[in-house]
Amino acid sequence: KAGVTQTPRYLIKTRGQQVTLSCSPISGHRSVSWYQQTPGQGLQFLFEYFSETQRNKGNFPGRFSGRQFSNSRSEMNVSTLELGDSALYLCASSLGVAGNTEAFFGQGTRLTVV
Amino acid sequence: AQRVTQPEKLLSVFKGAPVELKCNYSYSGSPELFWYVQYSRQRLQLLLRHISRESIKGFTADLNKGETSFHLKKPFAQEEDSAMYYCALRFSGGYNKLIFGAGTRLAVHP
Repeated sequence: KAGVTQTPRYLIKTRGQQVTLSCSPISGHRSVSWYQQTPGQGLQFLFEYFSETQRNKGNFPGRFSGRQFSNSRSEMNVSTLELGDSALYLCASSLGVAGNTEAFFGQGTRLTVV
Repeated sequence: AQRVTQPEKLLSVFKGAPVELKCNYSYSGSPELFWYVQYSRQRLQLLLRHISRESIKGFTADLNKGETSFHLKKPFAQEEDSAMYYCALRFSGGYNKLIFGAGTRLAVHP
C-alpha cells in the first residue's frame, strides 16, 4: 500500500511569508500528526488531527496551524515565517484507534526560511 | 511533564559487538514505549514497541518500570544497523502524540 506522502519535499521561503505543507495519509488512516525536526530541538510534536478535528496540540505559537479534510488529508500552515522555522516537517498517520497506535511517517518537507 | 532521555548522542561499536542504546523516561502513569529507526536517506520507521514484546532485526527492548527505562539491545551488531535511533513515549490521554528522545546515532564499524 502507498505510504504517507508529503508535498512539497523542499521549500525555500522568505521571512514574513506564509507556507502551506500537505500530507496524504495511508488509506484508511484517520489520524494525522505533525512534527517539527531540528538539530537543536529534535522531534517536537505540533498537533494531531482525527476525523477533521484537532485533538491534541503541542507547544508552538499560533502562527502554526493545521486542518484535516474529510478524506483525512491534512495541511499545516505557518504564517509570518521566521528564520527559526527552518526545519524538517514530518507528518505521521495512524489508524487512530485504541490498541493500534503505530505511526507511519512521511519523508518530510524541508523548509528553509531565508 | 512527560520526557524521554537518550543520554548518548553517538554510540560507536565494531561489527559483532553487543549494542545497548539507552532510553529513560519520566511519566507517572503507564506509558507505551517505542523505538523508531531512521536509516540514511530513509523515512522514520517503527522498529519495535514494548507491548508487542517481539524481536525485530535481532533487537529487543524490555520495559523496566522500576528504573523507568526502555533500553534497546542487540547481541551482535551488524554494519547495516548503522542508523539514527529514537526512543518515543505515548501516554494515556495523549492520543497519538509521541514524545521523542533526542536520538542516538549508532555507527557500526567493520
